[in-house]
Amino acid sequence: EVQLVESGGGLVQPGGSLRLSCAASGFTFSDHYMDWVRQAPGKGLEWVGRARNKASRDTTQYAASVKGRFTVSRDDSKNSLYLQMNSLKTEDTAIYYCVRDSKYYYMDAWGKGTTVTVSS
Amino acid sequence: QSALTQPRSVSGSPGQSVTISCTGTSSDVGAYNYVSWYQHHPGKAPKLMIYDVNKWPSGVPDRFSGSKSGNTASLTISGLQAEDEADYYCCSYTGSQNLWVFGGGTKLTVL
Repeated sequence: EVQLVESGGGLVQPGGSLRLSCAASGFTFSDHYMDWVRQAPGKGLEWVGRARNKASRDTTQYAASVKGRFTVSRDDSKNSLYLQMNSLKTEDTAIYYCVRDSKYYYMDAWGKGTTVTVSS
Repeated sequence: QSALTQPRSVSGSPGQSVTISCTGTSSDVGAYNYVSWYQHHPGKAPKLMIYDVNKWPSGVPDRFSGSKSGNTASLTISGLQAEDEADYYCCSYTGSQNLWVFGGGTKLTVL
């Protein structure tokens, strides 16, 4: 069974930093691209960023709203995905989901999310 | 890339059918047959229901079906059941910097 478990969420002040983690199991992690998607309170889903796999040189891609502030990384030896969030803004307050890419053009497995609150 | 437009809510009685629309642009929904739909019960992990406009992942009942016309995609749920009550989100590949764009979500109420 595919499992994605996020951790690391919490309360942080504007301008602060936070690192989210996602532990993956039940599939060959290194085969897949992985994404972060977030949902702000009362809002829809928003794609945040992607880490491609080693076959694609572990390259990353980001939404314009977080580019330059957030960094997605992965450690295939630990079956883990990370999201380093710097210069946090109140509008980054959201539930952050770890998501598996299907190898095609859709996301086929999600975690339950971890909550990040940016507030003074 | 603006979010895709979905109705905020739809409702139906058990056994009935409902359709949720998802309107984008010629740069996302209209450009690619890569529309997917997700069911989300709050507090749980979202679940893939439809991919590539009208394909079913393993384990999803064929009561759920997808279609697309121009810049608008649709999810139809037939034979409504109580457990279908959830939030539904559409998603389209964009091929641009903002790789994926989602809809704002539709709350389905089973009366």
